[in-house]
Amino acid sequence: DSGVTQTPKHLITATGQRVTLRCSPRSGDLSVYWYQQSLDQGLQFLIQYYNGEERAKGNILERFSAQQFPDLHSELNLSSLELGDSALYFCASSVRAGTYEQYFGPGTRLTVT
Amino acid sequence: DQQVKQNSPSLSVQEGRISILNCDYTNSMFDYFLWYKKYPAEGPTFLISISSIKDKNEDGRFTVFLNKSAKHLSLHIVPSQPGDSAVYFCAASAIGGGATNKLIFGTGTLLAVQP
Repeated sequence: DSGVTQTPKHLITATGQRVTLRCSPRSGDLSVYWYQQSLDQGLQFLIQYYNGEERAKGNILERFSAQQFPDLHSELNLSSLELGDSALYFCASSVRAGTYEQYFGPGTRLTVT
Repeated sequence: DQQVKQNSPSLSVQEGRISILNCDYTNSMFDYFLWYKKYPAEGPTFLISISSIKDKNEDGRFTVFLNKSAKHLSLHIVPSQPGDSAVYFCAASAIGGGATNKLIFGTGTLLAVQP
């Protein structure tokens, strides 16, 4: 158990809908990262937050957004969902923004039908 | 552009023997490398890492070797155990001038350790 929690574990929704994925980092970790793992691609970095502020962006679609709240939990919002958005979404956390080791949650499996 | 490559999608090894997983990278700015293990329906689990200023790091049965000139790293597992069967991801990071350390992952190698 990494100490990172993600909810929900599974999510099935229709195209065009909007969903919110939630992540709670390990106790004491200030930095949260979101990654997407789809079948034809490996783990792709989406976005990083550090102590409530956006720190880095990867190949995150404009339909996707995220935020980190004062209690350090983070939410990833996916809107206007397309079939291709079906994937595993992982959250990871680390103590500081410049710390290399990241600890991953169990992931949310999103299926768009 | 795949900056981190794991060219072997799968590897099968007998229990007790050595498992060698390989990883190549193209970006010379990477200064830290990590290996993660992933079981089905779970998130990746951090295994071992190495800084670019070192060429070897060992932790129990796991050893990572880094060859900077060849832009190549490898993970050795000795002796291999059936519980090691999982997908292994190589990842690289570059702190650079900022405070972000996003990880760039390879596509993974599925290791099967046969009893």
